[in-house]
Amino acid sequence: SQQGEEDPQALSIQEGENATMNCSYKTSINNLQWYRQNSGRGLVHLILIRSNEREKHSGRLRVTLDTSKKSSSLLITASRAADTASYFCAHYGMRFGAGTRLTVKP
Amino acid sequence: NAGVTQTPKFRVLKTGQSMTLLCAQDMNHEYMYWYRQDPGMGLRLIHYSVGEGTTAKGEVPDGYNVSRLKKQNFLLGLESAAPSQTSVYFCASTPFQDETQYFGPGTRLLVL
Repeated sequence: SQQGEEDPQALSIQEGENATMNCSYKTSINNLQWYRQNSGRGLVHLILIRSNEREKHSGRLRVTLDTSKKSSSLLITASRAADTASYFCAHYGMRFGAGTRLTVKP
Repeated sequence: NAGVTQTPKFRVLKTGQSMTLLCAQDMNHEYMYWYRQDPGMGLRLIHYSVGEGTTAKGEVPDGYNVSRLKKQNFLLGLESAAPSQTSVYFCASTPFQDETQYFGPGTRLLVL
């Protein structure tokens, strides 16, 4: 099965800055999901974007999807220390990648 | 609702011992999954189930067995534990015709 590839592998920013992470995939999809994993915890679903959507917002999260480039991005605005976590993209039938490790420094 | 729960939270085994990890969900979800996560890696699917009484192999099924006798429970068994099975194990469930996975808190397993 296909695997999502998150980029960058690690990202370190200051509190208040925006964080952008990217996901690339290889197959056609109906939707793409983003998950967050706090250290040592299970994954938590953040947002789902459908293939006919180009952008979706949820609070401080903004997700874009470009099906022609088979890529998606997750933007976290006005980051907080509590946003420190690993972020994964996924789609049914697609393996989870290694994720982007985000560190937000107070 | 408790959501997805996993038992135990942490376990230490000696090589060759057997054990069963229990996953329970109270959301009436049809699909359930077992993953393992190793340092610096994503989740790898071990086995999954699309309904009560049915199971299927995932990406890394060797050394593991599963059973789904009741819709709410998904058991993962290690018949003869090996150090390579040291990992964090996550269970997840999904409602019918939905793709959002709801994860448990994980079971940390150390095989010596």
